[in-house]
Amino acid sequence: AQSVTQLGSHVSVSEGALVLLRCNYSSSVPPYLFWYVQYPNQGLQLLLKYTSAATLVKGINGFEAEFKKSETSFHLTKPSAHMSDAAEYFCAVSEGLTGANSKLTFGKGITLSVRP
Amino acid sequence: GAGVSQSPRYKVAKRGQDVALRCDPISGHVSLFWYQQALGQGPEFLTYFQNEAQLDKSGLPSDRFFAERPEGSVSTLKIQRTQQEDSAVYLCASSLALGNTIYFGEGSWLTVV
Repeated sequence: AQSVTQLGSHVSVSEGALVLLRCNYSSSVPPYLFWYVQYPNQGLQLLLKYTSAATLVKGINGFEAEFKKSETSFHLTKPSAHMSDAAEYFCAVSEGLTGANSKLTFGKGITLSVRP
Repeated sequence: GAGVSQSPRYKVAKRGQDVALRCDPISGHVSLFWYQQALGQGPEFLTYFQNEAQLDKSGLPSDRFFAERPEGSVSTLKIQRTQQEDSAVYLCASSLALGNTIYFGEGSWLTVV
């Protein structure tokens, strides 16, 4: 069984400030981890994914995440927030990358607001 | 098409009515998923197809929910005798096999009144 915990439902940062969105996971097998972003009235877009290669993963739009097995965490960061980063962010875990094992278990999501 | 296409985008159904939600995956994508996203929640897995075979339907919440993909391309999610708790966004996603990125559609917003 897998689960994802995203603490808090809303994060607000100033433009140019560090963005840190937390994600902790639980998995009975080595996990594959994902961050998705959802803009209003749009579908989910993949930001980045961890697939057991490098523990520091770089994604689109300047985001990156680090897989820490000892902490069962996969926190998302961006050094400098931009107004266009305002959206909802979902962390997700899967047991595999192919077939039915690639189904995703999502966290509840975090809404990121960026203040001018 | 360029992406995963879902229709209708918005549907208001009266309680007890049957609804059908359509998903056109990206051409050639073998894997197809349906997820349900309630307001303020993350998406939850409903069912998975590999080509026309429904290999996992463990997430379907009741026997009122039925999905099909008869020719391995377009898929339809059908909800019979809709209830208010069925109100949610229904997301379709597709991918090639072998660990490729899963692409999501924009969703079908269902409101049951």
